[in-house]
Amino acid sequence: TQLLEQSPQFLSIQEGENLTVYCNSSSVFSSLQWYRQEPGEGPVLLVTVVTGGEVKKLKRLTFQFGDARKDSSLHITAAQPGDTGLYLCAGGSNDYKLSFGAGTTVTVRA
Amino acid sequence: NAGVTQTPKFQVLKTGQSMTLQCAQDMNHEYMSWYRQDPGMGLRLIHYSVGAGITDQGEVPNGYNVSRSTTEDFPLRLLSAAPSQTSVYFCASSKQGLGNQPQHFGDGTRLSIL
Repeated sequence: TQLLEQSPQFLSIQEGENLTVYCNSSSVFSSLQWYRQEPGEGPVLLVTVVTGGEVKKLKRLTFQFGDARKDSSLHITAAQPGDTGLYLCAGGSNDYKLSFGAGTTVTVRA
Repeated sequence: NAGVTQTPKFQVLKTGQSMTLQCAQDMNHEYMSWYRQDPGMGLRLIHYSVGAGITDQGEVPNGYNVSRSTTEDFPLRLLSAAPSQTSVYFCASSKQGLGNQPQHFGDGTRLSIL
C-alpha cells in the first residue's frame, strides 16, 4: 500500500499548456519533497516544503503544501519539452524514513 | 565532485547467485540509504544507515543485507538472488537523516535475475 498517492499517473500535454500533479496521503508529514527523474538517472530534488500552507516557486514551477501537511501539489505554467520527466513526491517524518509516491510521468510535446 | 557513485550500472544474475551492489559518496554525509524502483510502485526503502556502524531496516528488507564500516561506503548484498529482486536499485545520501534533508541519488544499478 502506497503511503503517498500521486495523480495522475501519466500526463501528456502540448508545449505551452499548464499542468498540475497531486500528492495525497492520510498521514501527516513533517516535510514534503518533490523530485524529478529522467530516464537512466537518479531523482533530483526540486524543492522541500515544511510548513502547512507553504507555497514555493521555482521559475515556472509552483509547489504547495496543504494546510494539514497531508497533501501537496506541483503546478507547471507554460510547460516546455524540457519539463518532461517522472515527478516524485516524498514525505518526510522524524523516523529517518522517506516515503515516496509512485510518480507521475509527464510528457510535454513540442 | 563525484557525489554518489553506484557500481555496477547493469548486472544479470542467475537465481540463487549472490552479489554486492556498491555505493560510495564523497560528501561526508552521515545518512545513506538503498531503494528499489519498480514500475508503478515508486521508490521503496530497503535499508538505511544514520552513521558508520549503524544500520536499520526499511520497508522491504527481506533478502538484502547491508553494513556501514565507513562513512563513505554503504554496500547492499543480495544473499540468494530471486526473480522478484529484478529491479533498479538506487543509493542515496544526505547530510543527516531527517525528513527535510535533500537526498542525493546515484544513477542506479539495473539488476535482472533470470
